[in-house]
Amino acid sequence: QKEVEQNSGPLSVPEGAIASLNCTYSDRVSQSFFWYRQYSGKSPELIMSIYSNGDKEDGRFTAQLNKASQYVSLLIRDSQPSDSATYLCAVNFGTGRRALTFGSGTRLQVQP
Amino acid sequence: EAGVAQSPRYKIIEKRQSVAFWCNPISGHATLYWYQQILGQGPKLLIQFQNNGVVDDSQLPKDRFSAERLKGVDSTLKIQPAKLEDSAVYLCASSYAGTGGIRDTQYFGPGTRLTVL
Repeated sequence: QKEVEQNSGPLSVPEGAIASLNCTYSDRVSQSFFWYRQYSGKSPELIMSIYSNGDKEDGRFTAQLNKASQYVSLLIRDSQPSDSATYLCAVNFGTGRRALTFGSGTRLQVQP
Repeated sequence: EAGVAQSPRYKIIEKRQSVAFWCNPISGHATLYWYQQILGQGPKLLIQFQNNGVVDDSQLPKDRFSAERLKGVDSTLKIQPAKLEDSAVYLCASSYAGTGGIRDTQYFGPGTRLTVL
């Protein structure tokens, strides 16, 4: 069973701080990795995607991938109260299966 | 461009009743996904269609769940009979090609919240 693990949180950070969200996955041959944000009562929306080792930056968001350690993270710089949401890590495990396997999400709370 | 449409938004039924959900994907998207999201968990894939063919239904409880996408556009997911543990949000998503790659973004609809009493 291919799995995606996340700490459920809540992760609480003060406004303006860096929030660090982590995710591990079970299969070394995983191909692509995604971070979705989900506000309470809403559907997931894509924030970042990454497929090669290293960092990928987009505005205040940075995704980091380490395939050897089977680890992907999301950094949110200058956190804002509007960033308070659940962040879902999703993995495409490849091997012919093209849908995503999601973790259970980490709830982030940004304190004003 | 219009997003993924789903209806109804909310549904309350009693156990052993049947229920159906409808999804219309983004125009031109070949791939349609149905996910089940139980409170406190991430979405779990139920079924994936590529045009009007099934790509993956390995996690669909086929004794009670069924889905179709007859003309390769909109789709219906049915539960018959419903159980208490089916209470969840049912999310429909679509993507252009269904490759699963980082350029093939999955866009989610607003979901249908099902409560089984």
